[in-house]
Amino acid sequence: NAGVTQTPKFRVLKTGQSMTLLCAQDMNHEYMYWYRQDPGMGLRLIHYSVGEGTTAKGEVPDGYNVSRLKKQNFLLGLESAAPSQTSVYFCASSYSNFGTSGQFFGPGTRLTVL
Amino acid sequence: KQEVTQIPAALSVPEGENLVLNCSFTDSAIYNLQWFRQDPGKGLTSLLLIQSSQREQTSGRLNASLDKSSGRSTLYIAASQPGDSATYLCAVEYGNKLVFGAGTILRVKS
Repeated sequence: NAGVTQTPKFRVLKTGQSMTLLCAQDMNHEYMYWYRQDPGMGLRLIHYSVGEGTTAKGEVPDGYNVSRLKKQNFLLGLESAAPSQTSVYFCASSYSNFGTSGQFFGPGTRLTVL
Repeated sequence: KQEVTQIPAALSVPEGENLVLNCSFTDSAIYNLQWFRQDPGKGLTSLLLIQSSQREQTSGRLNASLDKSSGRSTLYIAASQPGDSATYLCAVEYGNKLVFGAGTILRVKS
């Protein structure tokens, strides 16, 4: 039981490049989330999904897209990376509504956009 | 706007000391409150989750309390150890979103 895994762990992009971050969970959780963490600002929700085939915007969705084609996977895409997207990205999952059963987090992806 | 504030931003204590971390939230209509631990370069580990109907939760040397009416929660750590050094995050659930505080960086000196 690996829990929540994220790929890759580190990535450096140039402005304008695109990339996809992959999140996978093996706990059969319905809900999955993408957050970004910036110094002094805590975690902010980018997008989330309440089940396979569904996605919804969070607090800071601009510049990102997501897909949930399979229940166990949640992908975060950056179509044209900007330096403001330099951050640590965390994926999380939960069995039911946000936090009711507790969210489980992945180890994070550190992204630098030059 | 729903905001979560954690005080202090950083704390340094000698080993063995009991300590309290504070979390306050502006909107008292919460579903629950969760305390997380984050080690440098790592993800978040859930420590305690308090449902809105509960007043406190305990796990080992950790005790978290919740006072919805005043918009406050505290995390009490007894007999602190160097291994407790980490960033502690408070997160409040408001229905369809989890709002995080910026965290308290704790250092326990041996």
